[in-house]
Amino acid sequence: EVQLVQSGAEVKKAGESLKISCKGAGYNFGNYWIGWVRQMPGKGLEWMGIIFPGDPHIRYGPSFEGQVTISADKSITTAYLQWRSLKASDTAIYYCARVASGYFYFDYWGQGTLVTVSS
Amino acid sequence: DIVMTQSPATLSVSPEERATLSCRASQSVSSNLAWYQQRPGQAPRLLIYDASTRAPGLPARFSGSGSGTQFTLTISSVQSEDFAVYYCHQYNNWPGTFGQGTKVEIK
Repeated sequence: EVQLVQSGAEVKKAGESLKISCKGAGYNFGNYWIGWVRQMPGKGLEWMGIIFPGDPHIRYGPSFEGQVTISADKSITTAYLQWRSLKASDTAIYYCARVASGYFYFDYWGQGTLVTVSS
Repeated sequence: DIVMTQSPATLSVSPEERATLSCRASQSVSSNLAWYQQRPGQAPRLLIYDASTRAPGLPARFSGSGSGTQFTLTISSVQSEDFAVYYCHQYNNWPGTFGQGTKVEIK
């Protein structure tokens, strides 16, 4: 069974750094792209970027380039989303999701990580 | 970026009624369109990909249609567990983009 298990909720202050994780299981982690999707409070879904853990090859959405860093460690089947300096506007739920083989829709999703940033 | 526009924003339906949700792309995305369901407090879940292919295990009451710029998700007989927000997602062009969502609520 494919599973993506994300790290727990975080409460941070503006200016702090943060790295959240997404552990994949039940499939060959290195052979599938993993994406990150943001959902701000009460809002819709935003495509942030994707990584292919086997290379790793990374592509960012234009709105997120330079704002976050996506990485992965294939040896522990885990992908990461990282901020160097959080802003209050980063408050959101962040989902990781597996990209379907050969396409770019998301076939399996993690449970989400709530990040709350206070100013 | 391709802009995905969903309508209506909210759809009020009674249980066992038919629900029709629309998604329009600002330019052609061929058939590279997916639909997701998000229940309150839960992660999104894939329903449809390639515009009309049901995800494994999805009940037959869900169907997708369309190509190019106009797409439809139909729930033939809405059940209690179907009250949720539905998002379309184009993956034809970089970056992928989502619609703003349609909330299906109980009438």
